[in-house]
Amino acid sequence: QKEVEQNSGPLSVPEGAIASLNCTYSDRGSQSFFWYRQYSGKSPELIMSIYSNGDKEDGRFTAQLNKASQYVSLLIRDSQPSDSATYLCAVAGGTSYGKLTFGQGTILTVHP
Amino acid sequence: NAGVTQTPKFRILKIGQSMTLQCTQDMNHNYMYWYRQDPGMGLKLIYYSVGAGITDKGEVPNGYNVSRSTTEDFPLRLELAAPSQTSVYFCASRTSGQETQYFGPGTRLLVL
Repeated sequence: QKEVEQNSGPLSVPEGAIASLNCTYSDRGSQSFFWYRQYSGKSPELIMSIYSNGDKEDGRFTAQLNKASQYVSLLIRDSQPSDSATYLCAVAGGTSYGKLTFGQGTILTVHP
Repeated sequence: NAGVTQTPKFRILKIGQSMTLQCTQDMNHNYMYWYRQDPGMGLKLIYYSVGAGITDKGEVPNGYNVSRSTTEDFPLRLELAAPSQTSVYFCASRTSGQETQYFGPGTRLLVL
């Protein structure tokens, strides 16, 4: 059973702070890693993807991957109230036809 | 370009009734997926398809059936609705060579 675990929430940070979201996965064969943002009552929206060890930056978002530790994280710098949402970590294996295994999500609240 | 569309948006079913959730994409994507999301949880894969005429089970297929007669449509059938099928159902699609899955707006189903 492939599992993806996210740090328990909810997570509350003040506006302008760094929000740190963490995720671990059980399948060592996993090749692709994604962070989705989901606003309440809406569908998931892809914000970051990462495939190799190290950091990947896109604007205020940085994804970090460590395959040896089976760990992936998302950092949100200069957090804004509009970042308040549920963040879902998702993992795909190399030969899984793109099937995603999702974590349970972490609720982030950014307060002014 | 509508992307991924789902109908209906919301439905109430009685136990034992059946229904079909519709999903259509206009991006000529060959991969399509059905997920369910229970309250406060991540998404779980029900069924997926790698092209017209080809479908396979995901993590939680019991109580559901699918068909893929065209590239555009991927309906999900519930034959005998049960309260455990109360959930939000998301359809997603992607193209070969691209990892990004595009999600529809979801169908909220309540089985009473």
